[in-house]
Amino acid sequence: DAGVTQSPTHLIKTRGQHVTLRCSPISGHKSVSWYQQVLGQGPQFIFQYYEKEERGRGNFPDRFSARQFPNYSSELNVNALLLGDSALYLCASSLEVTARYSVNTEAFFGQGTRLTVV
Amino acid sequence: AQSVTQPDIHITVSEGASLELRCNYSYGATPYLFWYVQSPGQGLQLLLKYFSGDTLVQGIKGFEAEFKRSQSSFNLRKPSVHWSDAAEYFCAVVIFTGGGNKLTFGTGTQLKVEL
Repeated sequence: DAGVTQSPTHLIKTRGQHVTLRCSPISGHKSVSWYQQVLGQGPQFIFQYYEKEERGRGNFPDRFSARQFPNYSSELNVNALLLGDSALYLCASSLEVTARYSVNTEAFFGQGTRLTVV
Repeated sequence: AQSVTQPDIHITVSEGASLELRCNYSYGATPYLFWYVQSPGQGLQLLLKYFSGDTLVQGIKGFEAEFKRSQSSFNLRKPSVHWSDAAEYFCAVVIFTGGGNKLTFGTGTQLKVEL
């Protein structure tokens, strides 16, 4: 079975440009979350989507946006790129989102997209 | 605020030696805790998790962790380290936020294994 797949694996952008990152969850998973991992740091939560609705947003500027499609895949968009946006962007999927922990809320991570802003 | 602290940024051990990576949490209720491993340029792989019951949990690759509420700790251990264990290790706690949940990670511990 395919795991969480992210595309592209690497990309280089120039300051001020826009970027779109893509994520396909594990088959049957209805929730997708996005994390930013700056070099030398732990991942930071950006967004969570479940059944196409936003269920959580981290402390990121409005330049960051996301959406989830009917097939549960997701896009993360970042506008007006800054040098500080250079990071590994991780996508995680889970079966569902509930009010308490269960095996169905366990997150499975993709390999990430390495974004370099120059 | 709920948080996770990993006090050791880098740890070096000899192959075959025992390993303990420290993790302390700050959380008001019973925490749900995780350890992930990340190889260079890769995503995160779940090693083990604690959410109730036995405070000593077993994971993959021979790792185990012990939840100690009195010390607010969830330290990761392995009796004998292999060279392939060299990687970065992250402790995390899941935070439930009205309608959703998110993982809050520590800053990670980089493990180097000397042959």
